[in-house]
Amino acid sequence: DIQMTQSPPSLSASVGDRVTITCRSSQSISSYLNWYQQKPGKAPQLLIYAASSLQSGVPSRFSGSGSGTDFTLTISSLQPEDFATYYCQHSYSAPWTFGQGTKVEIK
Amino acid sequence: EVLLVESGGGLVQPGESLRLSCAASGFTISSHWMSWVRQAPGKGLEWVANIKQDGSEKYYVDSVKGRFTISRDNAKNSLYLQMSSLRAEDTAVYFCARVRDCYDRSGYHNDYYFDYWGQGTLVTVSS
Repeated sequence: DIQMTQSPPSLSASVGDRVTITCRSSQSISSYLNWYQQKPGKAPQLLIYAASSLQSGVPSRFSGSGSGTDFTLTISSLQPEDFATYYCQHSYSAPWTFGQGTKVEIK
Repeated sequence: EVLLVESGGGLVQPGESLRLSCAASGFTISSHWMSWVRQAPGKGLEWVANIKQDGSEKYYVDSVKGRFTISRDNAKNSLYLQMSSLRAEDTAVYFCARVRDCYDRSGYHNDYYFDYWGQGTLVTVSS
């Protein structure tokens, strides 16, 4: 099974900060990597698919990069509504595992 | 508007069974792989199972193999998860999700992703 290691587990940041979250897979997954945002009590929402494609309706301050085993989610200028938990997820082969999540909190 | 509505959750005792349903509207599930994803209280997301458009392929996380069965009724536009021999560690909110295929500019398949999710249904396994 492919393991996804996400870091950091949590971070504190201020509105306007640039935030970077990383995700590493235990073997190459090409571009089969997605990023989701989840707020408390809500279903996850897709942000980025195929490692770097922005889902329709998602603000352009979100971006994704990477291929193979190392991936990054960047929020260029953190907004109040971005405080949430972020998950990476691979879909290269079953089981489709998620990273452990990164909780973005207000500094 | 695409909507996924789960139902069937509740409180059950260890060893018992439960069947979850996911009613889809705004699209035809027969065109999509569909999935179940769960989240234990205060924990992260865990993919549970996938089913192909015609039901011919099914995949499961190891922890539910032999106990859970994913199925679909394309005529009813609905997805199901039959859960048996439930354990305390199966306690979670269960989400159904629509799977989208992704192709690059050359036409090569390069991703699957969950583009729509239901609101979830809580399953609690406790004596």
